Amino acid sequence: DAGVTQSPTHLIKTRGQHVTLRCSPISGHKSVSWYQQVLGQGPQFIFQYYEKEERGRGNFPDRFSARQFPNYSSELNVNALLLGDSALYLCASSFVNTGELFFGEGSRLTVL
Amino acid sequence: GQQVMQIPQYQHVQEGEDFTTYCNSSTTLSNIQWYKQRPGGHPVFLIQLVKSGEVKKQKRLTFQFGEAKKNSSLHITATQTTDVGTYFCAGPSRSGGSNYKLTFGKGTLLTVNP
Repeated sequence: DAGVTQSPTHLIKTRGQHVTLRCSPISGHKSVSWYQQVLGQGPQFIFQYYEKEERGRGNFPDRFSARQFPNYSSELNVNALLLGDSALYLCASSFVNTGELFFGEGSRLTVL
Repeated sequence: GQQVMQIPQYQHVQEGEDFTTYCNSSTTLSNIQWYKQRPGGHPVFLIQLVKSGEVKKQKRLTFQFGEAKKNSSLHITATQTTDVGTYFCAGPSRSGGSNYKLTFGKGTLLTVNP
């Protein structure tokens, strides 16, 4: 079975640009979460979507937005990129609204 | 907000030595999860502990959940080079509605000298 897939795997942007990251959850998983992982730190919660509705937002500015589609895939959008947005962006899916998270391999964003 | 702290930040061992990482939460947890992230990889779920005082074993790995459900530990017996990676503990929290998020510690990076 396919795991969580994310695209793109790597990307380079310049300050002020915007980026869209995509995630396809494991088949049957209705909950998708986004995490930001800066080098040397643990993943930090950005958003959770369950049944296509936003169910939680972490301590991130409004430049960060996301949505979930009817097929449960998800997009994370970041506007007006800053150097500090450089990180590994992880998508995780889960079967129910609790329990273990299945992470994708991540999208590594570099902002120059 | 909830904070999850892990010590040590780094641990270097000789192959065959034991390793332990400790996790402490600022709040009581309904459960605690452990993840492993290999260098250049993504976090992979290891285990979830739910009950106070719970102890679970996976081959050479032993996980404990404290009686007060605020601390946990992971012990690896006779480390192998395949154990290399960063070990994270994570605790769930809810903030309104049905939100469910995990707060991760900063992790313990384990390196093993063959």
